[in-house]
Amino acid sequence: GQNIDQPTEMTATEGAIVQINCTYQTSGFNGLFWYQQHAGEAPTFLSYNVLDGLEEKGRFSSFLSRSKGYSYLLLKELQMKDSASYLCASDTGGFKTIFGAGTRLFVKA
Amino acid sequence: GAVVSQHPSRVICKSGTSVKIECRSLDFQATTMFWYRQFPKQSLMLMATSNEGSKATYEQGVEKDKFLINHASLTLSTLTVTSAHPEDSSFYICSARGGASVYEQYFGPGTRLTVT
Repeated sequence: GQNIDQPTEMTATEGAIVQINCTYQTSGFNGLFWYQQHAGEAPTFLSYNVLDGLEEKGRFSSFLSRSKGYSYLLLKELQMKDSASYLCASDTGGFKTIFGAGTRLFVKA
Repeated sequence: GAVVSQHPSRVICKSGTSVKIECRSLDFQATTMFWYRQFPKQSLMLMATSNEGSKATYEQGVEKDKFLINHASLTLSTLTVTSAHPEDSSFYICSARGGASVYEQYFGPGTRLTVT
């Protein structure tokens, strides 16, 4: 079956660091996407991990462990504009991507 | 680069009518386009995958006669919701692959469909 789990909601303070976890179990796996989606808008690409380890890109970093079926997105120096949903998605191959339900992040002052 | 547009952004239609949504890749040739629907606070659900010049591949549970997909060219795919019903009201998002990045999907801005 296809299963992607991530927390429904998280709250963090402006300037802080937050880690959003994702576990996945999909038939076929090429890599793991993270997308950001503001309410009423389409998702925007954040990262794509193929190999195990941490990839850093500015304030955002993404980690993957293929053996554990686990990934996380790390957001540093949180800003109010980071309030959004963060979608974890598995690239299952054949151009098919399975999305998690998303984690709604609320950043408070 | 890698911009995908969708039209219309919002549409309200009466039950029983058909609605066409266009998805265009503006600055690249999209070898593959995807159609998703998303209910409030829920995940994106893949409806179908379409390749230029061939029939779309529909996901299980998606009625191909109700959701007609045409990928007429490398830059245009259309989704037609036929005989729309209130339960078809949703946020429909297209995405395209084929830009400079091999794996990345570029999403359109979405279309909010409301069927009254």
